[in-house]
Amino acid sequence: TQLLEQSPQFLSIQEGENLTVYCNSSSVFSSLQWYRQEPGEGPVLLVTVVTGGEVKKLKRLTFQFGDARKDSSLHITAAQPGDTGLYLCAGGLPGTYKYIFGTGTRLKVLA
Amino acid sequence: GAVVSQHPSRVICKSGTSVKIECRSLDFQATTMFWYRQFPKKSLMLMATSNEGSKATYEQGVEKDKFLINHASLTLSTLTVTSAHPEDSSFYICSAVDSHGSYEQYFGPGTRLTVT
Repeated sequence: TQLLEQSPQFLSIQEGENLTVYCNSSSVFSSLQWYRQEPGEGPVLLVTVVTGGEVKKLKRLTFQFGDARKDSSLHITAAQPGDTGLYLCAGGLPGTYKYIFGTGTRLKVLA
Repeated sequence: GAVVSQHPSRVICKSGTSVKIECRSLDFQATTMFWYRQFPKKSLMLMATSNEGSKATYEQGVEKDKFLINHASLTLSTLTVTSAHPEDSSFYICSAVDSHGSYEQYFGPGTRLTVT
């Protein structure tokens, strides 16, 4: 059974601080996605990384896919209260359209 | 961007009744859709893959007779929770793969089911 562990589970920081969320597995994925979810809503896709070692930047967010395509990280610079939410990574199972979701990281950014 | 809708957004039903949730891709065709379940403050758990024109494939531990999935057209999949019990109360989310275009997965807004 594929398992995607995210760390930390919870994070509460002050506005302006930097943070990194990790997504780790022993399985190899065809791609890795990061989502942000607000309470009562569906998850919203932030990025998809496909190539081992790939780094993508989206404004203050930097995403990296591990060289072996087993892990990923999300780094947020100068966090803002609007970044508050549940961050989910999702690994694509090779040869399928299926994605398995990580355990989630709940981020709270205090003003 | 591609839009996926779910109906209803919230539903309350009594124990023992069945509830149907619809998932529609509004501006693209989706041969494949997925149904997820999410418990409060938890991540999404994949329940099943919905395949247009064929039987759904269920993840281990998900009862296929309890959660009936029908994918009769390229834009609609339905999940019916049969003989619902309070423990079926959850947030159900679908996603659809743009199988004739980008092959990206797009999520619906979710359906909150409460069984009393």
